Amino acid sequence: AQKVTQAQTEISVVEKEDVTLDCVYETRDTTYYLFWYKQPPSGELVFLIRRNSFDEQNEISGRYSWNFQKSTSSFNFTITASQVVDSAVYFCALSEYAGNQFYFGTGTSLTVIP
Amino acid sequence: DSGVTQTPKHLITATGQRVTLRCSPRSGDLSVYWYQQSLDQGLQFLIQYYNGEERAKGNILERFSAQQFPDLHSELNLSSLELGDSALYFCASSGGQGASGYTFGSGTRLTVV
Repeated sequence: AQKVTQAQTEISVVEKEDVTLDCVYETRDTTYYLFWYKQPPSGELVFLIRRNSFDEQNEISGRYSWNFQKSTSSFNFTITASQVVDSAVYFCALSEYAGNQFYFGTGTSLTVIP
Repeated sequence: DSGVTQTPKHLITATGQRVTLRCSPRSGDLSVYWYQQSLDQGLQFLIQYYNGEERAKGNILERFSAQQFPDLHSELNLSSLELGDSALYFCASSGGQGASGYTFGSGTRLTVV
């Protein structure tokens, strides 16, 4: 069965601190996709990244970086020099390679304090 | 703008009532997915349609139903509403059957009073 665990329910950091959001997943599939979404207070789901299981290269996009480790079934997300606008709920999700649905984690609520 | 349009954005209704949520997928996408985000259940997959046919079913209650029309828009019908049905309902679309190319709409916030 597919499962995504985000053990951190809430995190608070002071502006300009770095913060890492953890994501651990379970799947029996050898091919799959992993995602991160941001949900700001307005409620929409903002796509951040998609990673397929073939590609374990870390990715950096501006202040955001992702660390994918198949050996530990983790796909962690780091925000460098956090800003108040980063305050949101962040969801990690898993989908089968040709699957029909996302399996979402329960989300991590990040508050960046000015 | 993601290209997936959901209407209405907000809906307030009373228990026992019936509502219809509408979703227009991104142009060219054949698959439509519905998700429910509630406080106690998190984000859960409800149902998927592909080119008018139901393709996958998740934790969708019997009081809920959906369909996809020939123009590919989809409607989610929620009946005999209960307080616990209050949630944010998201629609997503993708070009194929898989979830890799998902695009989410901005959601419909349903409040049952």
